[in-house]
Amino acid sequence: GENVEQHPSTLSVQEGDSAVIKCTYSDSASNYFPWYKQELGKGPQLIIDIRSNVGEKKDQRIAVTLNKTAKHFSLHITETQPEDSAVYFCAAPDSNYQLIWGAGTKLIIKP
Amino acid sequence: NAGVTQTPKFQVLKTGQSMTLQCAQDMNHNSMYWYRQDPGMGLRLIYYSASEGTTDKGEVPNGYNVSRLNKREFSLRLESAAPSQTSVYFCASSATYSGANVLTFGAGSRLTVL
Repeated sequence: GENVEQHPSTLSVQEGDSAVIKCTYSDSASNYFPWYKQELGKGPQLIIDIRSNVGEKKDQRIAVTLNKTAKHFSLHITETQPEDSAVYFCAAPDSNYQLIWGAGTKLIIKP
Repeated sequence: NAGVTQTPKFQVLKTGQSMTLQCAQDMNHNSMYWYRQDPGMGLRLIYYSASEGTTDKGEVPNGYNVSRLNKREFSLRLESAAPSQTSVYFCASSATYSGANVLTFGAGSRLTVL
């Protein structure tokens, strides 16, 4: 079945710098890769996703890249701001369409 | 626009007690899910309902039961709570059940079993 690993578990960056979170997956048949952001006391919220026929997708300061050969995908946040502080989760679907989630990355933006 | 509403937000149980977590969505979504979130383990699927009238086990169904009451409501029941079920529970919904589900989550229910 699908296995998703996410690194790092905690990432601390200076405000204005960039942050990169990486996930690897095991099932080469997976074709959809979302990223969710979870703020304190709230449920996760989709911030960006990418499908396997695309190598990169951008939405303002957020981008996701996909390397199908290496089976990894990454979240890139540029010009980080205090409101980017949160826990970020990656996921990939298994053969039953169920999302398998990474363990999460706590992003800390230092002022 | 309430989205996905879960009740209660907090609950403390003693071992062996039972309780039901309620979830309702107002987005006319077909599919609904129950997840648990534990530190360092991400989200794990307990049960899901791909459409009204159907329910299926997820990754960690033992100790839980679910009911899809109607299109809007999906409840999670713990018949005999155990300390291992201490967790934060999230209900979610999606328009359809496919390989590219966009999930809308509730705010979570924090359950402590003593």
